[in-house]
Amino acid sequence: QITLKESGPTLVKPTETLTLTCTFSGFSLSTGGVGVGWIRQPPGKALEWLALIYGNDDKRYSPSLKNRLTITKDTSKNQVALTMTNMDPADTATYFCAHPAGTTGYYAYWGQGTLVTVSS
Amino acid sequence: DIQMTQSPSTLSASVGDRVTITCRASQNLIRWLAWYQQKPGEAPKLLMYKASYLESGVPSRFTGSGSGTEFTLTISSLQPDDFATYYCQQYANYPWTFGQGTKVEVK
Repeated sequence: QITLKESGPTLVKPTETLTLTCTFSGFSLSTGGVGVGWIRQPPGKALEWLALIYGNDDKRYSPSLKNRLTITKDTSKNQVALTMTNMDPADTATYFCAHPAGTTGYYAYWGQGTLVTVSS
Repeated sequence: DIQMTQSPSTLSASVGDRVTITCRASQNLIRWLAWYQQKPGEAPKLLMYKASYLESGVPSRFTGSGSGTEFTLTISSLQPDDFATYYCQQYANYPWTFGQGTKVEVK
């Protein structure tokens, strides 16, 4: 059974750096085609794809946020972390981690999401 | 980036209605398109992949079609559990991108 769960702060101040962790089970991120990604959703708005990391450490980022994002993995802990710098109130959103099915690009497995509010 | 445009943004329908949602891409996706259903406070749920392949456990009243730049999701007979927001997602090219969503609401 594949599960994913996000963790991290629920409130951050403007200009601070956000670090979220996705802890997963049921698969290994040590295989090249296997990945874990991050998607966010501002309140009442659409889903926005942020970043993806594969087992071979290949990383993909949203071009519009690339300068602010870093995605890393800890295979031994079954965790993927997302760091976003210079947080702004516009970054207030529910952040989801998700796992593409096999080596494909559609997300068959999702975490429950974690709401991050950016406010002073 | 590949832009994904869904229509309509909101759809009012009744139980038993046939519902169709359209997703248009700014570039050729071949068939690398997925559909998701999302209810308030929940994570998205995968419905379809590769344009027309039904995810395991998803009712057969959901069908997907299309290729290239135009795709549709059809619900043959809308059920009470189907009132939700639906998103398309392309995975033909990075960055993978989502449509803006279609909310199916009670008429």
